[in-house]
Amino acid sequence: EIVLTQSPATLSLSPGERATLSCRASQSVSSYLAWYQQKPGQAPRLLIYDASNRATGIPARFSGSGSGTDFTLTISSLEPEDFAVYYCQQRSNWPPSFTFGPGTKVDIK
Amino acid sequence: QVQLQESGPGLVKPSGTLSLTCAVSGGSISSSNWWSWVRQPPGKGLEWIGEIYHSGSTNYNPSLKSRVTISVDKSKNQFSLKLSSVTAADTAVYYCARDLPYGSGSYYNAGFDYWGQGTLVTVSS
Repeated sequence: EIVLTQSPATLSLSPGERATLSCRASQSVSSYLAWYQQKPGQAPRLLIYDASNRATGIPARFSGSGSGTDFTLTISSLEPEDFAVYYCQQRSNWPPSFTFGPGTKVDIK
Repeated sequence: QVQLQESGPGLVKPSGTLSLTCAVSGGSISSSNWWSWVRQPPGKGLEWIGEIYHSGSTNYNPSLKSRVTISVDKSKNQFSLKLSSVTAADTAVYYCARDLPYGSGSYYNAGFDYWGQGTLVTVSS
């Protein structure tokens, strides 16, 4: 089973700052990695899929990079609505399954 | 715009069976998408439960496989989850979601692009 690790657990930043979130897989997942944003009381929202593709309607300040075992989600300039929890998720093809990371909370400094 | 709506009992007794349904609107469950269930215990992270295709093919989380059944009802444009032998550890918000297929030629399910709003299921006597 592939395990995802996210760091840091909490990131305290101010609006306008750059946020860099990390996701590491216990073995290669190729580019099969997605990122989600979740706010309290809401369902997760897909931000990035296949490591670097922005989902429909996602602002350009969100970008994803990486392949293999190391991935990064970057928010170029934090807006007030970006303070939330972010999860990475990988897809295994055999057996077919999804696994999520434990999450990174981005809060206001 | 695809919309998903979970429904089912909010309280299930220990050792009982949790049953939820996800109604799909704004799109057909017989499209080229898989459909998933994801859960989130209060204050914790996300856990994928399993997925189904309109043909009835399923994939399950290995850690839950022995207790999970996901089925589809094309006539009602909905899919369902049954989780047996529940304990307090199964208390969670349960989400249904649509898998996003991606790729050219051969594709894979790259994530979940549409979600229901979630329903809290509490396991308690």
